[in-house]
Amino acid sequence: KAGVTQTPRYLIKTRGQQVTLSCSPISGHRSVSWYQQTPGQGLQFLFEYFSETQRNKGNFPGRFSGRQFSNSRSEMNVSTLELGDSALYLCASSLAGAFNYGYTFGSGTRLTVV
Amino acid sequence: AQTVTQSQPEMSVQEAETVTLSCTYDTSESNYYLFWYKQPPSRQMILVIRQEAYKQQNATENRFSVNFQKAAKSFSLKISDSQLGDTAMYFCAFMKLAGGATNKLIFGTGTLLAVQP
Repeated sequence: KAGVTQTPRYLIKTRGQQVTLSCSPISGHRSVSWYQQTPGQGLQFLFEYFSETQRNKGNFPGRFSGRQFSNSRSEMNVSTLELGDSALYLCASSLAGAFNYGYTFGSGTRLTVV
Repeated sequence: AQTVTQSQPEMSVQEAETVTLSCTYDTSESNYYLFWYKQPPSRQMILVIRQEAYKQQNATENRFSVNFQKAAKSFSLKISDSQLGDTAMYFCAFMKLAGGATNKLIFGTGTLLAVQP
């Protein structure tokens, strides 16, 4: 079956702009989480959505937001981009109630802010 | 708060040899899961192996096995018969069992493993 699909793979934006990243989870997976990966801070949890509801959010400013649709696809949005937002953004999905099996990750979206 | 520490930023191993990657963690939780993820240059994080904290038996997946020492809060990964395709960044991750609430992963800083021919 298809894995976690993230689009686009690469993105270049200018400081001050906003960006929307997309994630399609594995069919049947209702939990979608987002992580930011940078050389300096490593992998950090952004937020998790389950059945269209945000269940938790990491320690990121309000410029970072997300949503989940009824088909479990998720989008994350970053407004007023800053240079420090340059990162690899990873999406991960999981079966509800089966978190012990771990998350399946996509290949990420590489965002560069110039 | 939980923390995960990987003290080896880089490691190198010859093809067909065995290598062990270290991971320690800090938590006051009693129910949790531990994972090793692999991130090759393709960027996708791939689950290598997982361990439930309540299980004393060490997990094994083909050439990959762990040494889980709960009292010492240690979770090392052993790769046997290393292959060139094992070259990647390896991340140790902790997840608290939250009973249906968010089960977020807390990652270590990673160990870059290079398998030499």
